[in-house]
Amino acid sequence: KAGVTQTPRYLIKTRGQQVTLSCSPISGHRSVSWYQQTPGQGLQFLFEYFSETQRNKGNFPGRFSGRQFSNSRSEMNVSTLELGDSALYLCASSQGTSGDTQYFGPGTRLTVL
Amino acid sequence: GENVEQHPSTLSVQEGDSAVIKCTYSDSASNYFPWYKQELGKRPQLIIDIRSNVGEKKDQRIAVTLNKTAKHFSLHITETQPEDSAVYFCAASRNTGKLIFGQGTTLQVKP
Repeated sequence: KAGVTQTPRYLIKTRGQQVTLSCSPISGHRSVSWYQQTPGQGLQFLFEYFSETQRNKGNFPGRFSGRQFSNSRSEMNVSTLELGDSALYLCASSQGTSGDTQYFGPGTRLTVL
Repeated sequence: GENVEQHPSTLSVQEGDSAVIKCTYSDSASNYFPWYKQELGKRPQLIIDIRSNVGEKKDQRIAVTLNKTAKHFSLHITETQPEDSAVYFCAASRNTGKLIFGQGTTLQVKP
């Protein structure tokens, strides 16, 4: 099976802009979770989508949003970008039942100037 | 709130020695505890996981122990090799799809 893929791999934006990141899960996986990774804060959970519904949410402002499509592909959007949003954004997919292994994508490196 | 503390933040060992990384979690409802290895510039990869109904799990040179009463779990790597050098993250979960990660441990194995 193909692994989790994310596009684009790199992005450079300026403050105030918005950005959309995409994640394609492993075939058959219905859950997609998003994480932000920074040197200072480590890996932080953003949200999880399962069968097109947000099932879990982390402690991020409303500028961070996401959605999931019927084919389980997911997108996350960040509006009104701030310098502190510069990070590696990782998505992970799983089958969606309790205790499932999460498989990570390669991440999207977002730089906000 | 949910929190996972991980120690040490850096660990340097000689090749062939053992390495131990410890994590403590705050949410007593956590029931799934994976460990991920992340090499520089690469994605986190699951190396071992344990569920709350098990106290210990081993896979070749890697083992994880869980103490639910004390709310802590540990990763043990024996006979370390230079290719074990990476950042290791512990995590805890009570809900599907939401992993709470520790801050990470940078392991350096010196040849």
